[in-house]
Amino acid sequence: DIQMTQSPSSVSASVGDRVTITCRASQDIAGWLAWYQQKPGKAPKLLIYSASSLQSGVPSRFSGSGSGTDFTLTISSLQPEDFATYFCQQANSFPYTFGQGTKLEIK
Amino acid sequence: EVQLVESGGTLIQPGGSLRLSCAASGFAFATFGMNWVRQGPGKGLEWISYISAGGSAIYYADSVKGRFTISRDNAKNSLYLQMNSLRDEDTAVYYCVRKTLDYWGQGTLVTVSS
Repeated sequence: DIQMTQSPSSVSASVGDRVTITCRASQDIAGWLAWYQQKPGKAPKLLIYSASSLQSGVPSRFSGSGSGTDFTLTISSLQPEDFATYFCQQANSFPYTFGQGTKLEIK
Repeated sequence: EVQLVESGGTLIQPGGSLRLSCAASGFAFATFGMNWVRQGPGKGLEWISYISAGGSAIYYADSVKGRFTISRDNAKNSLYLQMNSLRDEDTAVYYCVRKTLDYWGQGTLVTVSS
């Protein structure tokens, strides 16, 4: 199985800050990487697919990059509604696997 | 509007069986593969099963292989998960998710406990 390792596991930031979350795959997954945002008690929401494609309706302050084994999610200017938990996920092969999550908290 | 609505979650004893359902609407269900993904209390996300649009391709996570069975009824726009030999560690919110994980249901809670 492909292991997905996210870092950091938690981060504190302020409104307006730029935040970057990284995800590393245990083997080459090309661009088959997605990012999700999850708020308490809610289902995950797809933000980015194919490593860098913005899902319809997602604000442009979210961006993704990377290929192969190393990927990043960047939020260019944090808004109050962005404080949540973020997960990466590989869609290269079954079993699909997720990172352990990064909790983004208000500083 | 794409909607996925899960049902069937409940409190059940270890060793028991349960069938989850997912009612799909707002898209051509019969042309999309579907997944089940679960999330234990305070835990991360775990993909557990996929079924192709026509049902010919099925995959399971090792943690549920041999105990869970995914199926679908395209005439009823419905996805199912038959869960047998349930264990404490199967306690989770179970999500019905469209093929590329772009649309998720609201989830249904399964609690396995004596």
